[in-house]
Amino acid sequence: QSVLTQPPSVSAAPGQKVTISCSGSTSNIGNNYVSWYQQLPGTAPKLLIYDNNKRPSGIPDRFSGSKSGTSATLGITGLQTGDEADYYCGTWESSLRAVVFGGGTKLTVL
Amino acid sequence: QVQLQQSGPRLVKPSQTLSLTCAISGDSVSSNSAAWNWIRQSPSRGLEWLGRTYYRSKWYNNYAVSVKSRITINPDTSKNQFSLHLNSVTPEDMAVYYCARGDGDLDYWGQGTLVTVSS
Repeated sequence: QSVLTQPPSVSAAPGQKVTISCSGSTSNIGNNYVSWYQQLPGTAPKLLIYDNNKRPSGIPDRFSGSKSGTSATLGITGLQTGDEADYYCGTWESSLRAVVFGGGTKLTVL
Repeated sequence: QVQLQQSGPRLVKPSQTLSLTCAISGDSVSSNSAAWNWIRQSPSRGLEWLGRTYYRSKWYNNYAVSVKSRITINPDTSKNQFSLHLNSVTPEDMAVYYCARGDGDLDYWGQGTLVTVSS
């Protein structure tokens, strides 16, 4: 069972918007930055969002991140079929001195 | 551009030691601003961070509680790489293993190595 809680799956139609939630506690999300990763089938995870809401170079502004208290949210607008992937949140867990991840959310673009 | 290239055996016998290496290009294992991580992924455990090594005037390591008694992560400054050693493996250690750079945010990842534990 993962330290961070994500919904197992979300779906939406092409062109629509979707949000993916990530719930934690004060010892992880509440006091540390959150990252989001996209994992396409058969590939390594790719950093999408860091420091709660920053995008690495090359990541389109269709992807956004936010954090409030002990929860974080990934937003994707203008959905494309190429966005179908697994999405993971991650952060530092202060009590364990460890990186922790959510269980992942499978995005289906209908 | 940072690149991480993993190498090592893909088949390990139960009770033996799993050893993987991650060669770094475009950065230094001795960087004062980076950390060098190992993560694994399996259907049953999802993404699981195993540990990291980093240099801040001296070398430090952090390890996941789940593997702390069995894991060692070592830097090799002469080859600009770092390694993972996980001893006393069982079938539960079968997974895709990744190396990654990051001090919190993991911005560059290796290609992944599927390690099978079988006699």
